[in-house]
Amino acid sequence: QKEVEQNSGPLSVPEGAIASLNCTYSDRGSQSFFWYRQYSGKSPELIMSIYSNGDKEDGRFTAQLNKASQYVSLLIRDSQPSDSATYLCAVCPSTSLVFGQGTRLTINP
Amino acid sequence: DAMVIQNPRYQVTQFGKPVTLSCSQTLNHNVMYWYQQKSSQAPKLLFHYYDKDFNNEADTPDNFQSRRPNTSFCFLDIRSPGLGDAAMYLCATSLRLGVYNEQFFGPGTRLTVL
Repeated sequence: QKEVEQNSGPLSVPEGAIASLNCTYSDRGSQSFFWYRQYSGKSPELIMSIYSNGDKEDGRFTAQLNKASQYVSLLIRDSQPSDSATYLCAVCPSTSLVFGQGTRLTINP
Repeated sequence: DAMVIQNPRYQVTQFGKPVTLSCSQTLNHNVMYWYQQKSSQAPKLLFHYYDKDFNNEADTPDNFQSRRPNTSFCFLDIRSPGLGDAAMYLCATSLRLGVYNEQFFGPGTRLTVL
């Protein structure tokens, strides 16, 4: 079983709609959760971090964490073509991050 | 602006010819990491330094070495690159280890092995 699992996609969403990205993790002791955006050929860029159960909002982005279900998600409201990228979920079970393989998101104008 | 810088951005080497990639940071972070990322795969942690303490991942090949001469700089040495080592190499930093360790990545070095 992979430690961090994401649907690889591609996930196609029309412009202006809500994009929903999901991630599950296996280590129940994980305390920190991160979402990174990675454009093709570029390095990952941190967009959200979340540490407590519930929702955390930052602009058009909302991260949701449910530790009981070992589930973390990222919602992108009012999706823009510039949001088209691969989104990496990362989890910290101890000292280092474990990344999922990423979900490729395409926003269609 | 505080940042993570990697040089060179693109590196071409020949099979078996040693290569060194460099990373520097102005964030004054304690931890520096090296990741390898191949196409459509997750970044794979090779090793990290917490200050001067070096931590090697169990599955990192001996062909990969690292040096951190001071807080700001960290180097990745690939002693005898093979074709399978062609990848993007990412340097990242964080203020601390463990919980709340937000990591910030440099732009990466794309390594091609001929």
